[in-house]
Amino acid sequence: AQKITQTQPGMFVQEKEAVTLDCTYDTSDQSYGLFWYKQPSSGEMIFLIYQGSYDEQNATEGRYSLNFQKARKSANLVISASQLGDSAMYFCAMREPAQRAGNNRKLIWGLGTSLAVNP
Amino acid sequence: DTEVTQTPKHLVMGMTNKKSLKCEQHMGHRAMYWYKQKAKKPPELMFVYSYEKLSINESVPSRFSPECPNSSLLNLHLHALQPEDSALYLCASSQVDNVETQYFGPGTRLLVL
Repeated sequence: AQKITQTQPGMFVQEKEAVTLDCTYDTSDQSYGLFWYKQPSSGEMIFLIYQGSYDEQNATEGRYSLNFQKARKSANLVISASQLGDSAMYFCAMREPAQRAGNNRKLIWGLGTSLAVNP
Repeated sequence: DTEVTQTPKHLVMGMTNKKSLKCEQHMGHRAMYWYKQKAKKPPELMFVYSYEKLSINESVPSRFSPECPNSSLLNLHLHALQPEDSALYLCASSQVDNVETQYFGPGTRLLVL
């Protein structure tokens, strides 16, 4: 069964430093997609970055990059130059494979990592 | 413009009340989703509409009734809720394509007394 594991319930980082949030996944499928979302205390779930299993390059989006290691089944999020506004819960998620779920595939979520950026 | 709007932002209701949550998107997305999220937990999928038809119901109790009047609007009708239904309710939308990135609204914080 598909599963997402985020082993860091809480993380602290100093402002302007880089931080890596861990995400490992378990799937027997060859085609899958991985997402990272940010959820501040206000509640909105903000899409950050996407990595497809066949993408040859690691995804990047501004200060966010995804360290995708397919053989290790890891998709860690790297936030460079942390800002106070980065303090939030971060969720890693994997989309169900198409051949199994058909249309409107569900997202399988990790338990999240709470990041606190210290000034 | 990746905006999904939700109203109201906060809602307090008694167990005998009937209320509705509203979600709207103008991104041309043809899939819309309702999630329930408890504090410090990941979101739990409730319903998915695809091309205005209900495609997924995650065995949600009938006191929650979804409605998709058109491709831009999604409602969640609430009736006879229980205190344990208190949660953040998130709406999301996506294209129906290979990636299906879901874009979320700000959520409605619901308190059932």
